Amino acid sequence: KQEVTQIPAALSVPEGENLVLNCSFTDSAIYNLQWFRQDPGKGLTSLLLIQSSQREQTSGRLNASLDKSSGRSTLYIAASQPGDSATYLCAVRGVNNNDMRFGAGTRLTVKP
Amino acid sequence: NAGVTQTPKFQVLKTGQSMTLQCAQDMNHNSMYWYRQDPGMGLRLIYYSASEGTTDKGEVPNGYNVSRLNKREFSLRLESAAPSQTSVYFCASSEEPNSPLHFGNGTRLTVT
Repeated sequence: KQEVTQIPAALSVPEGENLVLNCSFTDSAIYNLQWFRQDPGKGLTSLLLIQSSQREQTSGRLNASLDKSSGRSTLYIAASQPGDSATYLCAVRGVNNNDMRFGAGTRLTVKP
Repeated sequence: NAGVTQTPKFQVLKTGQSMTLQCAQDMNHNSMYWYRQDPGMGLRLIYYSASEGTTDKGEVPNGYNVSRLNKREFSLRLESAAPSQTSVYFCASSEEPNSPLHFGNGTRLTVT
């Protein structure tokens, strides 16, 4: 059974800092990995999706990397802003099913 | 551009009552999903529908039923609500299983 872990559970940084969020998964037989942002009381917004054949994806100040062999992905946020404060979740889709397994998320606070 | 719409936003039920959570998407997506989100546990898949006319169990299907009414709509029914079903329920859709997931804003359900 695929297990997805996100550490740390919470992170607080000053505005302007570059930061890395971590995601690890136990089964490397994946179809893709997706990073989401969730604001309080809201649904999830897709940020980046990395196919299993890809090593990274970029969107603006966000860069997500994937290392299947080690079961790890990172989300890099450059020049963080208070508006980046949210919970960030990663999810992994396995090759043998239609189920995306989610981590519990990292709650990010960017202080002005 | 509504995306994924869920109703109701909030609901309080007594143990043993039944209700149906509604979900509709206007993106012509083939696949639709129901997740529940509990504190510290991430999102867990209840049921999914890979295409119109098909439904399959996810990780936590007990106590729930679903109906894929047409390509746009995917409903989740609780026949006899239990306090363990207190949670936030999210509907999601994707063009195909390997495409990004799009989420609704959730239904916050409390069972007393």
